Amino acid sequence: QSALTQPASVSGSPGQSITVSCTGTNGDIGGYNYVSWYQHHPGRAPKLMIYGVSDRPSGVSDRFSGSKSGNTASLTISGLQAEDEADYYCGSFTAYSTNYVFGTGTKVTVL
Amino acid sequence: QVQLVESGGGVVQPGGSLRLSCAASGFTFSSYAMHWVRQAPGKGLEWVAFIRYDGNNKYYADSVKGRFTVSRDNSKNTLYLQMQSLRAEDTAAYVCVKGLGADRDPFYYSYYMDVWGTGTTVTVS
Repeated sequence: QSALTQPASVSGSPGQSITVSCTGTNGDIGGYNYVSWYQHHPGRAPKLMIYGVSDRPSGVSDRFSGSKSGNTASLTISGLQAEDEADYYCGSFTAYSTNYVFGTGTKVTVL
Repeated sequence: QVQLVESGGGVVQPGGSLRLSCAASGFTFSSYAMHWVRQAPGKGLEWVAFIRYDGNNKYYADSVKGRFTVSRDNSKNTLYLQMQSLRAEDTAAYVCVKGLGADRDPFYYSYYMDVWGTGTTVTVS
């Protein structure tokens, strides 16, 4: 199965809101609400930011929110801060034999 | 605190084998599903394998199916990844990851990855 499709890069100024998209198929994102998002600062362990499409783990800022429409999930970061600059990956359970797939990753840059 | 420590990485020739281990501590290992995830140099995250908390269900990425085997020893709090017929494209940092949900939670909570190890590097050359 191919990776979920994310834009290679998204940028915004401090205080702005940005949205990172993640496009899959009816067999993964479109068929299940089992989407998660991970923040990855190079050299550090990835961090779970969103699970179940829109739920936030304890300790994650409410500036991060998730949603889904059809085969596309989205991560929105509001009030963009310098510390948000990182790589972001979506992930989804899939009905295909592989069972799980990550997105291609998006580099978020704070201008 | 919850900790995952991988070991067993190294340099291996194409066609060779390697076994990775992941020592878990700080949580009831036998209650949680585990994953292996890898990241090749300059590339994104790639999911590799999943094993249910009791070892009864295992799933693999197409890229490693038939060559890699995931297993666990709940008595030793250890996760393994046996890798065979290694290829240059398997070169990556391999990370073990804990699923969010415990055995009593809905199955899909196992697919949310909440604790990540630091990784061990495998170079096939």
